[in-house]
Amino acid sequence: SQTIHQWPATLVQPVGSPLSLECTVEGTSNPNLYWYRQAAGRGLQLLFYSVGIGQISSEVPQNLSASRPQDRQFILSSKKLLLSDSGFYLCAWAPGEGRNQPQHFGDGTRLSIL
Amino acid sequence: SQQGEEDPQALSIQEGENATMNCSYKTSINNLQWYRQNSGRGLVHLILIRSNEREKHSGRLRVTLDTSKKSSSLLITASRAADTASYFCATDSGYGGSQGNLIFGKGTKLSVKP
Repeated sequence: SQTIHQWPATLVQPVGSPLSLECTVEGTSNPNLYWYRQAAGRGLQLLFYSVGIGQISSEVPQNLSASRPQDRQFILSSKKLLLSDSGFYLCAWAPGEGRNQPQHFGDGTRLSIL
Repeated sequence: SQQGEEDPQALSIQEGENATMNCSYKTSINNLQWYRQNSGRGLVHLILIRSNEREKHSGRLRVTLDTSKKSSSLLITASRAADTASYFCATDSGYGGSQGNLIFGKGTKLSVKP
């Protein structure tokens, strides 16, 4: 069966520090991968998606970047964090073939910027 | 931007009662999906309904879709305390080869009291 791992679960970082959040998927090949951010009491905002190794699409301009160095690895990064980067970050995957597929989420990383 | 908007924002019921949540959206869709999120956790997929479907059931869940009104409803019958969570609708508009990208609403926070 497929599983998705996301870490760390919580992270407290000072303003201006770098960031690296990692997400890995097991049990499937060539998945579509997604990074979302959820502000408190809000829905999810899609940040990045990837349909293959090295293929990254950004949905919103921001201080963050994403990379997909391996088929089942998706990394969210920042060189210098801002206060506004605080939030709950969720990684998700969906089967790469066909449409009308559900997305499967990790347990998220709660990022607090001080 | 948010496509789906859930209504109500919060709902409090007694165990055993039915819970109905509504979702409205703005553009044409390929499918509409409902997800559940327990506090501090990732989202769990509940049901996907395609644009050519009008009703779908899964256990105690019933989802309807009215594409003429651009709306959907999620009914949870015989609710349990364990159903306490936030519920989100998400739409896949399929524009621009978006590879199944979803747009999420802000969610309905359901509280089921024992």
